[in-house]
Amino acid sequence: RKEVEQDPGPFNVPEGATVAFNCTYSNSASQSFFWYRQDCRKEPKLLMSVYSSGNEDGRFTAQLNRASQYISLLIRDSKLSDSATYLCVVPPPSGNTGKLIFGQGTTLQVKP
Amino acid sequence: DAGVTQSPTHLIKTRGQQVTLRCSPKSGHDTVSWYQQALGQGPQFIFQYYEEEERQRGNFPDRFSGHQFPNYSSELNVNALLLGDSALYLCASSLAGGAKEKLFFGSGTQLSVL
Repeated sequence: RKEVEQDPGPFNVPEGATVAFNCTYSNSASQSFFWYRQDCRKEPKLLMSVYSSGNEDGRFTAQLNRASQYISLLIRDSKLSDSATYLCVVPPPSGNTGKLIFGQGTTLQVKP
Repeated sequence: DAGVTQSPTHLIKTRGQQVTLRCSPKSGHDTVSWYQQALGQGPQFIFQYYEEEERQRGNFPDRFSGHQFPNYSSELNVNALLLGDSALYLCASSLAGGAKEKLFFGSGTQLSVL
């Protein structure tokens, strides 16, 4: 089983739609989780951090289910500018900052 | 305040050649990590440098080596290039002991091996 798994998509949705991505992780000891956004072949940028059950930032909501070992990202009222690849990231439970374990990424395409 | 800078932005090499990629961390950061991102995949951790030493290493062969200089900048070297080494190489900087989300990525070097 991969350490972090995501459905690669692509997800094609109309503007204004609500879309959700799921991510599963294998290490039950993991404590923190992140969603990164990556535009076409550019650097990943941190979108949200998830430390407890969830986190909300405007149209974006991340939820954590420790029992089932998955995290989700919900995007409400999708905008054209939300089109990107969303990477699920699970740092190892121990160790320092630099090593992150990325999922394959889920591609979102928002259409007019 | 400059962020993480990488050079070159694009590079074309042929099989068997050697390549060196460079990274300058964000001001105030002392740790540099390197990632390889193949097309359609997420970034894969190569290794991390702190205090001029390799501290952690991912599942990459010895053909991949690195160096960190006293000014915290870093180089990634890949010897005997293979077609499969074609990827976006990302450098990320952080401060040792800092929060895990305080990791900043450079815009990457796109390496094509022909």
